[in-house]
Amino acid sequence: DADVTQTPRNRITKTGKRIMLECSQTKGHDRMYWYRQDPGLGLRLIYYSFDVKDINKGEISDGYSVSRQAQAKFSLSLESAIPNQTALYFCATSDSYRVPGELFFGEGSRLTVL
Amino acid sequence: QKEVEQNSGPLSVPEGAIASLNCTYSDRVSQSFFWYRQYSGKSPELIMSIYSNGDKEDGRFTAQLNKASQYVSLLIRDSQPSDSATYLCAVNKSGGSYIPTFGRGTSLIVHP
Repeated sequence: DADVTQTPRNRITKTGKRIMLECSQTKGHDRMYWYRQDPGLGLRLIYYSFDVKDINKGEISDGYSVSRQAQAKFSLSLESAIPNQTALYFCATSDSYRVPGELFFGEGSRLTVL
Repeated sequence: QKEVEQNSGPLSVPEGAIASLNCTYSDRVSQSFFWYRQYSGKSPELIMSIYSNGDKEDGRFTAQLNKASQYVSLLIRDSQPSDSATYLCAVNKSGGSYIPTFGRGTSLIVHP
């Protein structure tokens, strides 16, 4: 089983719908991140969390919200999806007690908003 | 100027050759540097990290860091078709938060 698991792996939805992407990890890492990847634009940080009570905005947080339900779970929500949120979304983790900049990624969630 | 810049490629090299991938960064006090490999449709995977000026070798991979010139490179010796992927450079910002900033990646194609 993957150490960082994302669900769903693929989702097609319509404009205006609420969508939640979930991430769970068994690595025991304290830090969790949500990135989106668009062709030609690389990975862009949406939100990150250093522990359960810590939530921080990344460079492109508008239109998104997150919840850190437990150390192992970090969810990303799109309250009202729009077509330009069509992208590949990655959850990642890191361990602040080792090398915090070394990220471990989930397999990705491909979201299509029609 | 983008914080982390990479040539998007594609970089095409023959099998067995040395592939050289380059990355420049703008924050002079950046401390940690990483190379990730991403196969098409897959997630990024960390392959190298480097923190000090000079070279760091791991198997066929060598990372090179020059903080004075603000560049980091990745050399892949004896390139194989299985090395064909996009290589992402990531740089930790200064300030202690250790949030990496990614470049847009360089596509590498190794042809037989």
